[in-house]
Amino acid sequence: DQQVKQNSPSLSVQEGRISILNCDYTNSMFDYFLWYKKYPAEGPTFLISISSIKDKNEDGRFTVFLNKSAKHLSLHIVPSQPGDSAVYFCAAISNFGNEKLTFGTGTRLTIIP
Amino acid sequence: GAGVSQSPSNKVTEKGKDVELRCDPISGHTALYWYRQSLGQGLEFLIYFQGNSAPDKSGLPSDRFSAERTGGSVSTLTIQRTQQEDSAVYLCASSLAWGAGQPQHFGDGTRLSIL
Repeated sequence: DQQVKQNSPSLSVQEGRISILNCDYTNSMFDYFLWYKKYPAEGPTFLISISSIKDKNEDGRFTVFLNKSAKHLSLHIVPSQPGDSAVYFCAAISNFGNEKLTFGTGTRLTIIP
Repeated sequence: GAGVSQSPSNKVTEKGKDVELRCDPISGHTALYWYRQSLGQGLEFLIYFQGNSAPDKSGLPSDRFSAERTGGSVSTLTIQRTQQEDSAVYLCASSLAWGAGQPQHFGDGTRLSIL
């Protein structure tokens, strides 16, 4: 039962353009969402997060949007840079559950120079 | 270094052997988590520690898996009688405190290969 879904296993974007990574969830108890970035042979690195009381959080080139009614969030990267090429994981957690961070299966983003 | 440290970085062993994986969290981080990532899969939660106690062991795949944490710091994940399906990257993470708002900082993982 995949509670956090990233339906696009890969995405290619031209350098300088906007990258949009999508994530859907099924558990309505999730109230905090995070994005992690992972390079090969390294552990995931925290990128940005959003609480369910917000619908947008911005940090530099990275913006996360949350649509609670649709149980959907997205990560926008603009402008995309070659160093952004990595696997991006969406994760969700409930403050009222067992604090287990549930991850999606990841989307491999490739930025084309 | 200041990050989460895991050892060994790679481990190859024969089916049926026991393996022990080690995690050194960031100093001062009270929460510690173990995950595994099998080929082509997302990160699968295994267990977490708040201090030395593990309130939730539900993610451990079988009774061959166990984990402990002593002194509120180093943790070991032990897999007994390894099977080929145990082959994966085992990731450890720590956070300053236990809670949804605390981002988890990951180590680089231990790549376990069972022959």
